[in-house]
Amino acid sequence: DAKTTQPNSMESNEEEPVHLPCNHSTISGTDYIHWYRQLPSQGPEYVIHGLTSNVNNRMASLAIAEDRKSSTLILHRATLRDAAVYYCILRDREGGSEKLVFGKGMKLTVNP
Amino acid sequence: DGGITQSPKYLFRKEGQNVTLSCEQNLNHDAMYWYRQDPGQGLRLIYYSQIVNDFQKGDIAEGYSVSREKKESFPLTVTSAQKNPTAFYLCASSLTAGGPHEQYFGPGTRLTVT
Repeated sequence: DAKTTQPNSMESNEEEPVHLPCNHSTISGTDYIHWYRQLPSQGPEYVIHGLTSNVNNRMASLAIAEDRKSSTLILHRATLRDAAVYYCILRDREGGSEKLVFGKGMKLTVNP
Repeated sequence: DGGITQSPKYLFRKEGQNVTLSCEQNLNHDAMYWYRQDPGQGLRLIYYSQIVNDFQKGDIAEGYSVSREKKESFPLTVTSAQKNPTAFYLCASSLTAGGPHEQYFGPGTRLTVT
């Protein structure tokens, strides 16, 4: 199964941009890149996903490398509410096996 | 409001008892999932269902059972065969199984077995 690698943790300051990296060197051509985040004692929340092109939504931007072996989640202005564990996940286009691997994720701390 | 509900939020059971966790969604999603999360760890897939009356084992299905008799409901039974049942259990759904569709998660049920 394709896996992702993220730093264990990152820190940022409030109202500054944050770039959260993810490596997925074994990604297949049919894998979507999904990002979720989880606050303590809550279920994960979908953030964004993409296949090949960069994506923007109201929460964040997703920058995908040309070779698709890495991606970066960009929070344009971090707030205290963005402090969470962020998961980068690969999801097969067809969903035949649904082998979603969340891993331990990356803990983002936002300093006031 | 559309969403996923899980009940109860906290559940306590004695060892050797089976317990069923509820998961209901009103999003009209075909696919539903059960995950388990242990402290400081990521989520692990227990079972998933792509359509009514069909479900598949995930990575850690031993000691668990599910049913999918209705589109809206996907209950999980933690049996006495599950060796370490104490965990945070999360239910999710998506429009269909597969890459472009995000998963929506419920608030979770924290199960403690003593």
